[in-house]
Amino acid sequence: NAGVTQTPKFQVLKTGQSMTLQCAQDMNHEYMSWYRQDPGMGLRLIHYSVGAGITDQGEVPNGYNVSRSTTEDFPLRLLSAAPSQTSVYFCASSYRIRYEQYFGPGTRLTVT
Amino acid sequence: GIQVEQSPPDLILQEGANSTLRCNFSDSVNNLQWFHQNPWGQLINLFYIPSGTKQNGRLSATTVATERYSLLYISSSQTTDSGVYFCAAVSGGSYIPTFGRGTSLIVHP
Repeated sequence: NAGVTQTPKFQVLKTGQSMTLQCAQDMNHEYMSWYRQDPGMGLRLIHYSVGAGITDQGEVPNGYNVSRSTTEDFPLRLLSAAPSQTSVYFCASSYRIRYEQYFGPGTRLTVT
Repeated sequence: GIQVEQSPPDLILQEGANSTLRCNFSDSVNNLQWFHQNPWGQLINLFYIPSGTKQNGRLSATTVATERYSLLYISSSQTTDSGVYFCAAVSGGSYIPTFGRGTSLIVHP
């Protein structure tokens, strides 16, 4: 099992550009989520999904879109990048909601 | 929502020392996890421990749900234990995990 994979590892965007961060898991987990990590802030939940076709907002959803068309994939879209979205983004999955979560390696995003 | 506080914020140890990290939470929980973020940024699962005690090698964790805290014990620390330790809790009425701000641990050789 590859576990949770994320691409790209690093990305630099200009303000106003859009992009998609990819996340995939091969553990047949129902629950997937996206977090951002900023210095001194811990991790904050952006969006989550309890299964294919079902998504919901977390603590900091503004400026981000998600969809879940398959169990395996949960992409995060930045619609119009802003410098405030400079952060490290982590994808996580678990068997079901409230079960043990497993994290991907992260994507370091810089918006100039 | 639930508040999660970790202490101490920073900890510096000599190799071989023992330490206790604390995670306090403001509400009852049905999910409590401890993670280690290594210096390369990778988040590693340590324990899934909504209640009780678990041990894994030199590390152990105890969650006392009725008193709303969890402890992570590191014995005979090694330089590879350096990094940031996070706890994350999900309260009974929520689906959203809340992370503490972490304890930064440096172990000197």
